[in-house]
Amino acid sequence: AQRVTQPEKLLSVFKGAPVELKCNYSYSGSPELFWYVQYSRQRLQLLLRHISRESIKGFTADLNKGETSFHLKKPFAQEEDSAMYYCALKNYGGSQGNLIFGKGTKLSVKP
Amino acid sequence: DAGVTQSPTHLIKTRGQQVTLRCSPKSGHDTVSWYQQALGQGPQFIFQYYEEEERQRGNFPDRFSGHQFPNYSSELNVNALLLGDSALYLCASSSGGALQPQHFGDGTRLSIL
Repeated sequence: AQRVTQPEKLLSVFKGAPVELKCNYSYSGSPELFWYVQYSRQRLQLLLRHISRESIKGFTADLNKGETSFHLKKPFAQEEDSAMYYCALKNYGGSQGNLIFGKGTKLSVKP
Repeated sequence: DAGVTQSPTHLIKTRGQQVTLRCSPKSGHDTVSWYQQALGQGPQFIFQYYEEEERQRGNFPDRFSGHQFPNYSSELNVNALLLGDSALYLCASSSGGALQPQHFGDGTRLSIL
């Protein structure tokens, strides 16, 4: 079954420390993965997608098909990175596909 | 561009009632998807509309139904409300084929008493 697992509900780091938000997936096909972020009092927004292979706000994520992982990383966390982060997998069952989300990880960056 | 807009923001209903939630997609988008987000959970896919038809459906009962209008806006209807239907309902829009990302609205917070 298609599934996304985010093992940490809460991750707390100090400003300037490296951060890694874990995401593992289960999918019978070629996966398309995303990271969405929700800042306080804001809507869910796309942070990055693996096919773009880009860095957004200093965050990167590499798809590892062998380990079925798509961990989100940032070398030096900032206080403004504090937010809820969701890993999502695109499930192609229709014309556009839908997203399967993990339960999310709350990142707290302390000063 | 206001992006995806949803109404109402909050809604309180009682068990057994029916509710209709509304969504206007981002300008230029033609596909609307609905998600249910229970407290402490990630969003869960309900269904998707494209060309005024339901194209894909998640694991939700028939009490959940929807509609898409010619202007691409959409409604989510839930009949015979249960306490467990209390959640944040998110609308997402996209366009241009399967590879385009979905843009989310702020959601409607539905509380069932």
